[in-house]
Amino acid sequence: GQNIDQPTEMTATEGAIVQINCTYQTSGFNGLFWYQQHAGEAPTFLSYNVLDGLEEKGRFSSFLSRSKGYSYLLLKELQMKDSASYLCAVGNSGYALNFGKGTSLLVTP
Amino acid sequence: EAGVAQSPRYKIIEKRQSVAFWCNPISGHATLYWYQQILGQGPKLLIQFQNNGVVDDSQLPKDRFSAERLKGVDSTLKIQPAKLEDSAVYLCASSLTGGVQETQYFGPGTRLLVL
Repeated sequence: GQNIDQPTEMTATEGAIVQINCTYQTSGFNGLFWYQQHAGEAPTFLSYNVLDGLEEKGRFSSFLSRSKGYSYLLLKELQMKDSASYLCAVGNSGYALNFGKGTSLLVTP
Repeated sequence: EAGVAQSPRYKIIEKRQSVAFWCNPISGHATLYWYQQILGQGPKLLIQFQNNGVVDDSQLPKDRFSAERLKGVDSTLKIQPAKLEDSAVYLCASSLTGGVQETQYFGPGTRLLVL
């Protein structure tokens, strides 16, 4: 089976940097995804890591350590529009993606 | 490029009634997914289709839920009869070939409230 843990809520200030952690236990591993989901909207793809290390994409970066079962999403220069839920999802040895419960990020002025 | 389309966007029914949701994936995408997202949780996969065949339906409550994708394009998810705990957002997603490393594109979802 799979167990994916991420904090329920986080708050950060506009312009700051925030790191959202995700730990997982899985039987088989085929990569880790981060999705962003604004309230009442569909999830949208942010990043994909399958090898260890840091992937940078503009203000967003994602890190993976397969040996530790750990990933984080780093958001820089926070903007108000970044207030959303951030979903960590792990691909297992089958075809499915298993999602965590999501981290609700609130960006304050 | 048109995204994943879903209808209806909202549905309110009473328990024990039936309901159906429709999804049209991105053109050319072979793989279609139905997810259930209960408030405050992440999406849970209900069923995955590859063209018109089922790849994974291990988490689909088959006593009340059914889904089909007869021509390998659009899909329908049905609940019969509905229970209170079925209140959730039902998300449809699609990907090009279904590889687990591929990005899944989600539709806007159908919000179901069972009273």
